[in-house]
Amino acid sequence: DQQVKQNSPSLSVQEGRISILNCDYTNSMFDYFLWYKKYPAEGPTFLISISSIKDKNEDGRFTVFLNKSAKHLSLHIVPSQPGDSAVYFCAANPSSKLIFGQGTTLQVKP
Amino acid sequence: DGGITQSPKYLFRKEGQNVTLSCEQNLNHDAMYWYRQDPGQGLRLIYYSQIVNDFQKGDIAEGYSVSREKKESFPLTVTSAQKNPTAFYLCASSLQGDTEAFFGQGTRLTVV
Repeated sequence: DQQVKQNSPSLSVQEGRISILNCDYTNSMFDYFLWYKKYPAEGPTFLISISSIKDKNEDGRFTVFLNKSAKHLSLHIVPSQPGDSAVYFCAANPSSKLIFGQGTTLQVKP
Repeated sequence: DGGITQSPKYLFRKEGQNVTLSCEQNLNHDAMYWYRQDPGQGLRLIYYSQIVNDFQKGDIAEGYSVSREKKESFPLTVTSAQKNPTAFYLCASSLQGDTEAFFGQGTRLTVV
């Protein structure tokens, strides 16, 4: 059973607009979450993380929001740039292992 | 330069042969992981290790084996028992199990 879910396989936005990528999880005991970005045929690179003691974490154009009651987190990219086009993975970190969602392919159009 | 290195980048094997994928890190990380990615799917955990000489099965360990004899190295063997071995394999490491993991560039294994 998928413990971390990204229900939108793809997202297309215009350059300069906001990109919002969503992620849901099933286990309320999960307390640390991460977002990774991945280009084809490469390893994922770490973007941003959030601990369950916070509801928001910001790093430049990237902001992650956590709603513990809804077991939902989202990644906001503002403004979106064509170089942001990639697959984005949400991950949870329970019991010292990383569990990933299926990924969302973001396309930012010039 | 510090980092995590997977080799080779592309690997071809005949069906029925075992094959070992290399993963080395010089980041002094305690934890290491192996994931598999298939087209249109996320990253699925095969095995992970939090300390030398110890490792645990992930979600899809059947048909795979690992060893962790040295802190720097976590090789993955894809055995002939793995029914669908063709995939993109990713190795990762982290300082501890509860921090962000750094990934290698991956090995694309094709079994013909």
